[in-house]
Amino acid sequence: DIQMTQSPSTLSASVGDRVTITCRASQSIGSWLAWYQQKPGKAPKLLIYEASSLETGVPSRFSGSGSGTEFTLTISSLQPDDFATYYCQHFNTFSITFGQGTRLEIK
Amino acid sequence: QVQLVQSGAEVKTAGASLRVSCKASGYTFIGYYIHWVRQAPGQGLEWMGWINPKNGATNHAQNFQGRVTMTRDTSINTAYMELNRLRSDDTAVYYCARTRVLPAAVDYWGQGTLVTVSS
Repeated sequence: DIQMTQSPSTLSASVGDRVTITCRASQSIGSWLAWYQQKPGKAPKLLIYEASSLETGVPSRFSGSGSGTEFTLTISSLQPDDFATYYCQHFNTFSITFGQGTRLEIK
Repeated sequence: QVQLVQSGAEVKTAGASLRVSCKASGYTFIGYYIHWVRQAPGQGLEWMGWINPKNGATNHAQNFQGRVTMTRDTSINTAYMELNRLRSDDTAVYYCARTRVLPAAVDYWGQGTLVTVSS
């Protein structure tokens, strides 16, 4: 099975900062990767699909890049609403695998 | 608009069975897979499996083989997840979620169903 590893587990940042979260796959997954944002008590929200495609309605300060085994989610200028937990997710023809999550907290 | 509306919170005793429903609206039910994902308190997301409402085909994560059953009723656009032989570590919020035919990202989620298993 493919394992997805996110880093860091926790990230402290301030409003206006540029932040990057990394997700590594245990083997090449092409561009079959998505990023989600989850706030406490809420379902996750899709931000990025197929590694770099921005979901409709998601602010352009969010961007995704990468292919193969290494992927990044970048928030160009943090806003107060962005403090949440972020998950990467690999999807293939048969299954879905989530990373363990990155908690983005206010510094 | 697309909606996935799940059944309400449940409290179960260890060893019992659980059934959560997920009613879809606002789209063609048989055109999308329904997945089940759970999240234990303070923990990450764990994928459990999917059902293809078009033909009833399913695939489950290895961790749940033999304990989970996923079904659907296309006449009422509803998917079901049944988990047997509940344990205390099955305490979690259970989500249903939608994808196009795999490979595809989840684009809509249900509101979640809190399941508490007591020993």
